[in-house]
Amino acid sequence: QVQLVESGGGLAKPGGSLRLSCAASGFTFRDYYMTWVRQAPGKGLEWVCFVSGSSSSTIMYSDSVKGRFTISRDNAKNSLYLQMNSLRAEDTAVYYCARDALVDGLYFDYWGQGVLVTVSS
Amino acid sequence: EIVLTQSPGTLSLSPGEGATLSCRASQSVSSNYLAWYQQKPGQAPRLLIYGASSRATGIPDRFSGSGSGTDFTLTISRLEPEDFAVYYCHHSGSPPYAFGQGTDLEIK
Repeated sequence: QVQLVESGGGLAKPGGSLRLSCAASGFTFRDYYMTWVRQAPGKGLEWVCFVSGSSSSTIMYSDSVKGRFTISRDNAKNSLYLQMNSLRAEDTAVYYCARDALVDGLYFDYWGQGVLVTVSS
Repeated sequence: EIVLTQSPGTLSLSPGEGATLSCRASQSVSSNYLAWYQQKPGQAPRLLIYGASSRATGIPDRFSGSGSGTDFTLTISRLEPEDFAVYYCHHSGSPPYAFGQGTDLEIK
């Protein structure tokens, strides 16, 4: 069955860095676009970024993270990553990785359980 | 940038009643790339509807989506106890791919 498991969250200082990982299993990882979505405590969902499948040829970011966050993938390891630099307090959130549903448009049919990132001094 | 506005913010209904949730876009959503997600406390979101009106795999037929352009609706025909949750619309018509702020469907 499809599984997505995030790791790498924790406490970081403002201006610091963290790297999130998402381990995928149960499907042919390289065939799927993958996305990061976050949710600040008690708030709604925010799309963060996505990366296309096998060649990572298409990458897009929300304006709120552009220039600070980098999404990448290692298809040989069935893993998705989010390198987060220059962290701010407003980056505090649960971060979910999600798989694209492989239909026209970008839809997220499987999600990980989420990992909490807290940015505080 | 397309902004999605959901209404109402909170909807109080009883099991067995019908629910109508609205999602309005500030600009037309190209190709009706509009989805609805359900999220329960402490859980990841679940895809309900994609392409404005197609049900995702395993979603009961009491959930239906409709609309096009800038106005979209999620309808739940007969509320079951497990349907009380927060619902988000999301567009992927053109980046950035925003979510609406959510509608909290609560038990009356």
